[in-house]
Amino acid sequence: SYELTQPPSVSVSPGQTASITCSGDKLGDNYVCWYQQKPGQSPVLVIYQNSERPSGIPERFSGSNSGNTATLTISGTQAVDEADYYCQAWDSSTVVFGGGTKLTVL
Amino acid sequence: EVRLVQSGAEVKKPGDSLKISCKGSGYSFTSQWIGWVRQMPGKGLEWMGIIYPGDSDTRYSPTFQGQVTISADKSINTAYLQWNSLKASDTAMYYCARRSPTGWYHDYWGQGALVTVSS
Repeated sequence: SYELTQPPSVSVSPGQTASITCSGDKLGDNYVCWYQQKPGQSPVLVIYQNSERPSGIPERFSGSNSGNTATLTISGTQAVDEADYYCQAWDSSTVVFGGGTKLTVL
Repeated sequence: EVRLVQSGAEVKKPGDSLKISCKGSGYSFTSQWIGWVRQMPGKGLEWMGIIYPGDSDTRYSPTFQGQVTISADKSINTAYLQWNSLKASDTAMYYCARRSPTGWYHDYWGQGALVTVSS
């Protein structure tokens, strides 16, 4: 089965740029999306189709996908961005999630 | 406004059966896939499967095939996730989520339903 690999944790200072990667075999051939989940809350879609932002998602969130790696980038990271982030792709009619990355803003 | 409202928390014993629900509103329920996602305590998201309420076409993740049943009643805009015999390892938060009309990603999520299985 298809697997997506994320780093368990990423740390960033406020105002700096955070990059969270998601790796999978030939991932660049698929669309990738990203979800943000804060403690006790449902996931929220922050990027879809590699780099599109849903309405209401701040411009500081951006995404890319090429080769075997997709990247979620948060520019000018704020304390409110501290959360778990999950990448997701689709393979053979099933959805696959990455293991999640805990973003710490300190 | 698109909304997915899930049934409440459940506490069950091993071996019990259970059916939890997810009611959609604010969009054409029969025209969009609804998926189910498990999140075990302190763990990540796991995709379980998805149903198209219009014709009940259902796809399961290999991990969950045969372990749960996904169904829908389009007359009341509701999708279901069902277990015939719960195990302690089924203890988790379960989310329903709508698949976007434009691709294989979930644009709206329910509030989650906590299922606790304990003797």
